[in-house]
Amino acid sequence: GNSVTQMEGPVTLSEEAFLTINCTYTATGYPSLFWYVQYPGEGLQLLLKATKADDKGSNKGFEATYRKETTSFHLEKGSVQVSDSAVYFCALSDLYGGTSYGKLTFGQGTILTVHP
Amino acid sequence: NAGVTQTPKFQVLKTGQSMTLQCAQDMNHNSMYWYRQDPGMGLRLIYYSASEGTTDKGEVPNGYNVSRLNKREFSLRLESAAPSQTSVYFCASSAISGGAPNEQFFGPGTRLTVL
Repeated sequence: GNSVTQMEGPVTLSEEAFLTINCTYTATGYPSLFWYVQYPGEGLQLLLKATKADDKGSNKGFEATYRKETTSFHLEKGSVQVSDSAVYFCALSDLYGGTSYGKLTFGQGTILTVHP
Repeated sequence: NAGVTQTPKFQVLKTGQSMTLQCAQDMNHNSMYWYRQDPGMGLRLIYYSASEGTTDKGEVPNGYNVSRLNKREFSLRLESAAPSQTSVYFCASSAISGGAPNEQFFGPGTRLTVL
């Protein structure tokens, strides 16, 4: 079955530091890959996505590249802010034949705390 | 446009009690989902409904039932609550376009405690 593995957290950084959160996956076929962010007390929001190999998703200064050869989708940001403190989830969605029901398989989440 | 709404926000139950979690979306999405979130385990799919009139089990369906009341509403029922069902429950919805997964939109969650 499908699975997603994220780097262990929590991650604590100072403002303006470089961020990497590792994500690797196992899936059959050609999944789409996502990063979701959950701010304290809220639901999940889509941060970025990539639907095929070598695609780069980007949003709000965050980037991730779909690497099929290494089955990875690592999240990066060049300079984090205090407001980036949240839980980050890597996820994949598989295709079933010609119709996708959009079911997501999530990693366990990585807590990021950014200090001033 | 409220997106995905869930009620209640918080609930405390005693073991054996029943309750229904309500979810509604106003984005005209075909698919709806129920997840539970537990520390260190990410989100796990309980049930989903690919379209109005259909429901299917997800990864952790035991102890739950669902009803897709209409295109907007998808409820989750706990018939006899157990402490193991203490969790945060999220409802989500997505549009369907053939052959391509779409973004899921999440509600704010229901925090359930079973004593």
